[in-house]
This record gives sequence, C-alpha cells and structure tokens, in this order.
Amino acid sequence: QQQVKQSPQSLIVQKGGISIINCAYENTAFDYFPWYQQFPGKGPALLIAIRPDVSEKKEGRFTISFNKSAKQFSLHIMDSQPGDSATYFCAASPEGAGSYQLTFGKGTKLSVIP
Amino acid sequence: NAGVTQTPKFQVLKTGQSMTLQCAQDMNHNSMYWYRQDPGMGLRLIYYSASEGTTDKGEVPNGYNVSRLNKREFSLRLESAAPSQTSVYFCASMSSYNSPLHFGNGTRLTVT
Repeated sequence: QQQVKQSPQSLIVQKGGISIINCAYENTAFDYFPWYQQFPGKGPALLIAIRPDVSEKKEGRFTISFNKSAKQFSLHIMDSQPGDSATYFCAASPEGAGSYQLTFGKGTKLSVIP
Repeated sequence: NAGVTQTPKFQVLKTGQSMTLQCAQDMNHNSMYWYRQDPGMGLRLIYYSASEGTTDKGEVPNGYNVSRLNKREFSLRLESAAPSQTSVYFCASMSSYNSPLHFGNGTRLTVT
C-alpha cells in the first residue's frame, strides 16, 4: 500500500519556467511533509518542509502548497534553472513523539533545459 | 564535518555471499536509518534505530539484519545475498522527531 503518491514520474521544463510536482497522501495522521532533492551520485538532502497548520511555505524560488482537506501537497519551483535538475522526493511522517518513520514518494526526475 | 559516512561505496557480490555495510555519523544524532533506492520505487525503509540500543523493522526488512553498535554507528548485514538485493543503499540519521534526515552518499551493491 503506497501511502504517498507522487506525480509526475519525470518532468522536463525550460529554463525560466515553473516546475510543479504533486503528492497525495492517505494517512490522516501525517503531520510533517518534507521535500528532498537528490543529485546523481549523492544522497537526498532536505529542501523544504511544511506542517499542516499553514497552507503555503516559501523559501527563495521553492514553494510548498498544502491542501489538508484534499490531502495533497505540491512543490513549485519558480524560474527553474539547469542547476535544479535533480530527483525530487516528497515525504510524510505521522504525528507524535516517537514517530520516526518518513514515508517517501517514488520520486520525480526533473530536467531543466536551457 | 563529515556528516554521514558509508563504506564501501561500491560492492559486487555473488549470490549467497554475505557482507556488512557500515555507516557512521558524527552529528550526535539519536536516530539512524537504512534505506534502499531502486529505479521507480523511491526510497524504502529497511530498518531503523530510534535510539541507541533499539532497532525496528521498516517496510522491506526481509533478508537483512542490523546492529546499532553505539550512538555513532549503524551497520546493515546481508547474510546470504540475492540478486533482488541489487540496489543503492543509503544510511541516514536524524537528531530528533521530524528534524531533517541527513543521508550518506550511498553504497551501490550488485549481486550476480
């Protein structure tokens, strides 16, 4: 049972365009939603994260939008650059101290072409 | 500051051989994790250790064992490798609940 569904699997965007990656979850106990960025040959690294008490969080060109009622969240990359080309993973974890497991989506490979 | 260090970086095994993947972190983190990454499958949790002295199964634990040797080190053992265990293995650590997960750069394992 896949608890976090991510789409699209791959995405090609022109330089300067907007990249949008979507995730949907099923478990209503999830209360922490991070996005990770992975470059080839490297481990993933935290990009940005949101909790359900806010509907949007922005850090530079990266924005998370969160829709609690629809159980969906998305990553928007504004003014996409070739250096943003990477694989992006959404993730979610449940509430409560002692809940240490992050569930990841299957990833989106983003290619930004000049 | 090395962060999370994994050894080896690459390994080729024959079916039935055993090996141990090593992981160490120098950030004084409490929790440590082992994930495997396969094309189209994302990151799947094999085992984790919420704190020193404890280990728990994740989503795909079959065929693996782990040891939390001390607060710094968390090893993953394959007792009898199978081709289905061909994957990239990532170790990660976290300081506390819902803080950033810090990953190593992975071990690429091929089982023939």
